[in-house]
Amino acid sequence: SQQGEEDPQALSIQEGENATMNCSYKTSINNLQWYRQNSGRGLVHLILIRSNEREKHSGRLRVTLDTSKKSSSLLITASRAADTASYFCATYEMDSSYKLIFGSGTRLLVRP
Amino acid sequence: KAGVTQTPRYLIKTRGQQVTLSCSPISGHRSVSWYQQTPGQGLQFLFEYFSETQRNKGNFPGRFSGRQFSNSRSEMNVSTLELGDSALYLCASTPLDLNTEAFFGQGTRLTVV
Repeated sequence: SQQGEEDPQALSIQEGENATMNCSYKTSINNLQWYRQNSGRGLVHLILIRSNEREKHSGRLRVTLDTSKKSSSLLITASRAADTASYFCATYEMDSSYKLIFGSGTRLLVRP
Repeated sequence: KAGVTQTPRYLIKTRGQQVTLSCSPISGHRSVSWYQQTPGQGLQFLFEYFSETQRNKGNFPGRFSGRQFSNSRSEMNVSTLELGDSALYLCASTPLDLNTEAFFGQGTRLTVV
């Protein structure tokens, strides 16, 4: 089952613009993670934000977490063509061992 | 250190056959999880193994099974393949701390014809 929805499902922007993706989840969490997937390949971990954190930065990435709304957002600043990929949020079930529940993903296209 | 290694990368099988996929986790990681990715269902959890024991199983039919060896390497098996089993199968290894990332392999692309 999907943890929640990601919004938008697809996003097309010009190189240099910022890209914002949103994720909603359903259950209580320890942390929320964002992953990137290039064209049907493996998932690459981008950033992890713990439930007691509200914002986290890593390079051009900024993640926010609102546990009261059960939502998170990923902002990629100054996007590059190489950022073209699908982006997924994921959380572990609280009562489970290492079972990651993924959102439906956002397909990002960065036009050169 | 070496990442998660999945073999084979691509596989074509016929309906009714069975298939075995392999995953070697990062050295020192004892938890291995498997996920199925399809365009229609997205990323779905299959099962997770720790110290050769299946700790968690997703909502998949009994045709999907797995195991883990003493060196933490894991295999998953799908018997009596159906067209709908065509998917990207991803393996992830995780250290013991739930507050860390999962490390994914490149996946095995299975096509059932």
